[in-house]
Amino acid sequence: AQSVTQLGSHVSVSEGALVLLRCNYSSSVPPYLFWYVQYPNQGLQLLLKYTSAATLVKGINGFEAEFKKSETSFHLTKPSAHMSDAAEYFCAVSSPASKLTFGTGTRLQVTL
Amino acid sequence: DTAVSQTPKYLVTQMGNDKSIKCEQNLGHDTMYWYKQDSKKFLKIMFSYNNKELIINETVPNRFSPKSPDKAHLNLHINSLELGDSAVYFCASSPNAGGDNEQFFGPGTRLTVL
Repeated sequence: AQSVTQLGSHVSVSEGALVLLRCNYSSSVPPYLFWYVQYPNQGLQLLLKYTSAATLVKGINGFEAEFKKSETSFHLTKPSAHMSDAAEYFCAVSSPASKLTFGTGTRLQVTL
Repeated sequence: DTAVSQTPKYLVTQMGNDKSIKCEQNLGHDTMYWYKQDSKKFLKIMFSYNNKELIINETVPNRFSPKSPDKAHLNLHINSLELGDSAVYFCASSPNAGGDNEQFFGPGTRLTVL
């Protein structure tokens, strides 16, 4: 069985501040981990993924995430938030057979 | 170029009706999926097809029936619609059924059952 927990359903940061979105996973096999972003009234878009290569993964739009097996975490960070980053962010874990299990999502708000 | 497209974008219907949502991908992918996103934004997989064969079938009422006429298309037919079926339905595709694949999502179909 696999599951994902996203701490904080809503995160608010100031423009230019650090973004930290938390994700913890549970998986009985070495996991494939993903972060997707959903802008209002749109589908999901991949930000980055971990597939057992480098533990620090760089994605699009300046985001990165670090896989920490000891902490079963895959937190998403960005050094400096931009207004255009405001969206819903989903962490997900995949089984080897491509079954994606999503977390409940974190809404990121960016204020001036 | 639209990679994964869905029709219709919006669907408003009465309880008890039967409706279909269509999905097409032009990425040449082998694997396609249907997801349901509820009003709290929770996303859950419903079905997955690989080369027209059903490979994932979650606990979904049998009123929902997917059909894959070819690798590029995965349609979702829903019989006897209920209020609880109101949601946004997303189609997605990936190169193959490997768990490390990125999934490419369509824009969603917002279904409202009155």
